[in-house]
Amino acid sequence: DGGITQSPKYLFRKEGQNVTLSCEQNLNHDAMYWYRQDPGQGLRLIYYSQIVNDFQKGDIAEGYSVSREKKESFPLTVTSAQKNPTAFYLCATRRALMTVGDGYTFGSGTRLTVV
Amino acid sequence: QQPVQSPQAVILREGEDAVINCSSSKALYSVHWYRQKHGEAPVFLMILLKGGEQKGHEKISASFNEKKQQSSLYLTASQLSYSGTYFCGTEWGSQGNLIFGKGTKLSVKP
Repeated sequence: DGGITQSPKYLFRKEGQNVTLSCEQNLNHDAMYWYRQDPGQGLRLIYYSQIVNDFQKGDIAEGYSVSREKKESFPLTVTSAQKNPTAFYLCATRRALMTVGDGYTFGSGTRLTVV
Repeated sequence: QQPVQSPQAVILREGEDAVINCSSSKALYSVHWYRQKHGEAPVFLMILLKGGEQKGHEKISASFNEKKQQSSLYLTASQLSYSGTYFCGTEWGSQGNLIFGKGTKLSVKP
């Protein structure tokens, strides 16, 4: 069964630490996305990628970094420069960046808390 | 340019109908609708492309008025399972990513 695996489900970060959230997919989708969700704010785009070794910043990229070394994997690093990282992080995929008629498939999310 | 959803929240009794609206300040290429249950991932419901077409999914349908730059989601004869937060995601052109509204929380009571 194809899908998206995000890990861990819950993550606790100390002040000043970098942490990496994993997103793996076996849907053979080209496009991958990272969104951040805060209560009452909807989903805000952090980074997206349409092809291996290429990615673009979204609306709130500051304090985050990504890599796309393999088609299946799109990890997100939350750096110490991100001042308010506590949020629910969602990874999503799409068959291709501009696919007419296709929606996103979302992973089950990672809840990050700063302690 | 985040799309604006209304209402922010709605409470229904089983069997009642509801309409959720999504408006954009920019010309839209497509509108997506998703439903998210508490603590879970959003689930894709449907996509509407410019051209004013209406789509349906069980008793949930949607319309897209390109001229008014808005879309509406119609939930008829609501069921308990319809409870959740509904998000619209808008796409303007070739950028290939969605900008989501803040969501509409729908609660269906027995």
